[in-house]
Amino acid sequence: EVQLVQSGAEVKKPGESLKISCKGSGYSFTYYWIAWVRQMPGKRLEWMGIIYPGTSETRYSPSFQGQVTISVDKSTNAAHLHWGSLKASDTAIYYCARGSGYTFDTWGQGTLVTVSS
Amino acid sequence: EIVMTQSPATLSVSPGERATLSCRASQSIGSDLAWYQQKPGRAPRLLFYGASTRATGIPARLSASGSGTEFTLTISSLQSEDFAIYYCQQYKDWPLTFGVGTKVEI
Repeated sequence: EVQLVQSGAEVKKPGESLKISCKGSGYSFTYYWIAWVRQMPGKRLEWMGIIYPGTSETRYSPSFQGQVTISVDKSTNAAHLHWGSLKASDTAIYYCARGSGYTFDTWGQGTLVTVSS
Repeated sequence: EIVMTQSPATLSVSPGERATLSCRASQSIGSDLAWYQQKPGRAPRLLFYGASTRATGIPARLSASGSGTEFTLTISSLQSEDFAIYYCQQYKDWPLTFGVGTKVEI
């Protein structure tokens, strides 16, 4: 079974750093794109960026360029989303999703990130 | 960036009725459009890609069509499990963009 399993919910303070993860299983991890998608409370889905594990080619949405870093660890079949300094406005659910091209057929369960002082 | 506009924002229908959801792109995207369904507290689920190709496991009562800038998702006879939010997403150009969604409610 193809699965993406994300790391658990996080509660952080503004200014702290954070890395969340997305582990793929049941398929050849290196051959499918992994995207990260933000969903703020009650809001639409927003593409943040995408990475191809085979080459680590990464593309960011302009809205998120410089705000987050997407990386991959092929040895553990995991993709990561990293913030150097969190803001309250980063509070959201973050999904990873597997893609063949730019349509995404398998999604992680989501990671809730809460940033509050 | 390509702006995706969905209408209506909310569609109130009864089980067994037909529902038609619209999605418009701010510029031509050919057939590079996907539809997703999201239920409360759940991750999105891919319904269609290539504007009209049904994803694995999607029932035949759901259909999608369109090209260029105008797209439609149709649910021929609403079942209880179809009440959700539906998003369209273009993948013609970067950044990939979603519409704001249409909520299908009773």
